[in-house]
Amino acid sequence: AQSVTQLDSQVPVFEEAPVELRCNYSSSVSVYLFWYVQYPNQGLQLLLKYLSGSTLVESINGFEAEFNKSQTSFHLRKPSVHISDTAEYFCAVSDKSNFGNEKLTFGTGTRLTIIP
Amino acid sequence: DTGVSQDPRHKITKRGQNVTFRCDPISEHNRLYWYRQTLGQGPEFLTYFQNEAQLEKSRLLSDRFSAERPKGSFSTLEIQRTEQGDSAMYLCASSFPRGRSAETQYFGPGTRLLVL
Repeated sequence: AQSVTQLDSQVPVFEEAPVELRCNYSSSVSVYLFWYVQYPNQGLQLLLKYLSGSTLVESINGFEAEFNKSQTSFHLRKPSVHISDTAEYFCAVSDKSNFGNEKLTFGTGTRLTIIP
Repeated sequence: DTGVSQDPRHKITKRGQNVTFRCDPISEHNRLYWYRQTLGQGPEFLTYFQNEAQLEKSRLLSDRFSAERPKGSFSTLEIQRTEQGDSAMYLCASSFPRGRSAETQYFGPGTRLLVL
């Protein structure tokens, strides 16, 4: 079984400031790691995912996340946020060995609010 | 690609009534997942289909819940004798696995259920 912890339920950040959203996971097996974003009144969308290889993964809108195996973390960062980044961000994992069913285990989410 | 659609978007019902939700996945996607999200929590896995076969059910899915996916296309989730604790957002996601890479699940907008 896996679990995901997002300690920060809400993060307010000034526009153009950097941000880090923290995610830690616990699992007895190897996992894939994901960040999903939910904009107001929209469904969940995949932001980025870590499968293997380079521990740093990037999204098309300037976010990046780094997989740290020793700390079992997958923190999400952006060097300069924009008003349009206001959303709820969910970290999730799936069992790498369970090819037939890649159900996701989500954290409780972090609401990112950008202050103009 | 019209995305995953869910119907209805909102449902208010009285305790003890039955409700049924529908999910239409992206057309070529053979995997379909149902999740439930309560206030302040991340989505939790309920059940999973590969084509028309229901391959896994979470312990969260009591006997009052049933899901189907006839012909491997749309899916329905029925809740019988609803209880106030069933109030939640019910999310549907679909995917089409490519090789052994982690699949991307595409989420619908959800059906918000309120049981009075």
